[in-house]
Amino acid sequence: GAVVSQHPSWVICKSGTSVKIECRSLDFQATTMFWYRQFPKQSLMLMATSNEGSKATYEQGVEKDKFLINHASLTLSTLTVTSAHPEDSSFYICSAGGAGPAANEKLFFGSGTQLSVL
Amino acid sequence: TQLLEQSPQFLSIQEGENLTVYCNSSSVFSSLQWYRQEPGEGPVLLVTVVTGGEVKKLKRLTFQFGDARKDSSLHITAAQPGDTGLYLCAGAGGTSYGKLTFGQGTILTVHP
Repeated sequence: GAVVSQHPSWVICKSGTSVKIECRSLDFQATTMFWYRQFPKQSLMLMATSNEGSKATYEQGVEKDKFLINHASLTLSTLTVTSAHPEDSSFYICSAGGAGPAANEKLFFGSGTQLSVL
Repeated sequence: TQLLEQSPQFLSIQEGENLTVYCNSSSVFSSLQWYRQEPGEGPVLLVTVVTGGEVKKLKRLTFQFGDARKDSSLHITAAQPGDTGLYLCAGAGGTSYGKLTFGQGTILTVHP
């Protein structure tokens, strides 16, 4: 089946630094990618929808200047947490889908990135 | 805002018992997906149900999509410790066009 690779799996950084997380679709072209945030023992919270070649669409309450999303190619989307603070510590997960209105109906998830900000 | 109510939130049972997890909404979904997630990993798709009234079986797991495509259930027969994990339902389509709506999740613990 399709594989989505997310890197790094975990990262520890100092407060005030920026962290970049990569999400790659390995064997298919993903025109749409989604970024989620998940707190322990809770469900996934959609942060933004990343569309190849255009600006990401952010969910209400998500700071676009804080969480920069770039989807420059059909196989790579990146999420950069800028000036990270301890409250940004969380598990971040990406998913990738195909094209069109049903893009989210067959999604493949990355393995997630555990971010810890000291 | 489209909501998908998942219950129960926590479930702790003994090996061999049966259980059912429910997802309910007032919105109609074009499809509904069930995922299982283990700590530190991404969700893994178990099944997608598309047709109202559809029933799908995956070994000891039975998934059902409501006739009106507003609700779904996951039934596990003779649960095993390996079934332990976070189960998530997610609806596609409906009023939140182009997005998946996730339920709150059910943390299942099966004790040996």
